[in-house]
Amino acid sequence: AQKVTQAQTEISVVEKEDVTLDCVYETRDTTYYLFWYKQPPSGELVFLIRRNSFDEQNEISGRYSWNFQKSTSSFNFTITASQVVDSAVYFCALSEAVASNYQLIWGAGTKLIIKP
Amino acid sequence: DTEVTQTPKHLVMGMTNKKSLKCEQHMGHRAMYWYKQKAKKPPELMFVYSYEKLSINESVPSRFSPECPNSSLLNLHLHALQPEDSALYLCASSQDLFARPQHFGDGTRLSIL
Repeated sequence: AQKVTQAQTEISVVEKEDVTLDCVYETRDTTYYLFWYKQPPSGELVFLIRRNSFDEQNEISGRYSWNFQKSTSSFNFTITASQVVDSAVYFCALSEAVASNYQLIWGAGTKLIIKP
Repeated sequence: DTEVTQTPKHLVMGMTNKKSLKCEQHMGHRAMYWYKQKAKKPPELMFVYSYEKLSINESVPSRFSPECPNSSLLNLHLHALQPEDSALYLCASSQDLFARPQHFGDGTRLSIL
């Protein structure tokens, strides 16, 4: 069973629009961590954020914000006032303390295209 | 600039060749990882080293042979690869194994002729 679902395969918006990338996860562990990574066309994966299962506080970092809701098992990522440099594939990932021995379980990724 | 350095950036090799991929980090991380990534797919974990010892081998074929000479270096030795092994190979490191953020290198784009 898929544990991390990124239902949006590709999203295309015009620069300066806001965009939300969805991530839904599945786990039976009570202790787990959620991550977002960015992979630009150059290939390297860039760590963006880590949240643990005990901290549902939303986070904002500049134009980036994350909404963690345990009730819906979601960890969504919003980019405000998008820029062309935000174009990349974004991966959501889950790390479970018990079921996966902390190894990352990746979503399929969402390709974000920001048009000038 | 990434703090995990991978060499070479590109590699083309025949199926009978022997080559090695190299990865280096100087962040004092004690866990290092090899991933394989095919186009339009998420990374697939291959190997994990923790404190220079092989911790996880995800049933990778023996034509891939990892080596961790010291806490800063990670190698992946390649021999008799198949065309389906063509992919982006990513190295990563983290402070330890316990859900720490992984820091990735730029990867090596490997093509098998």
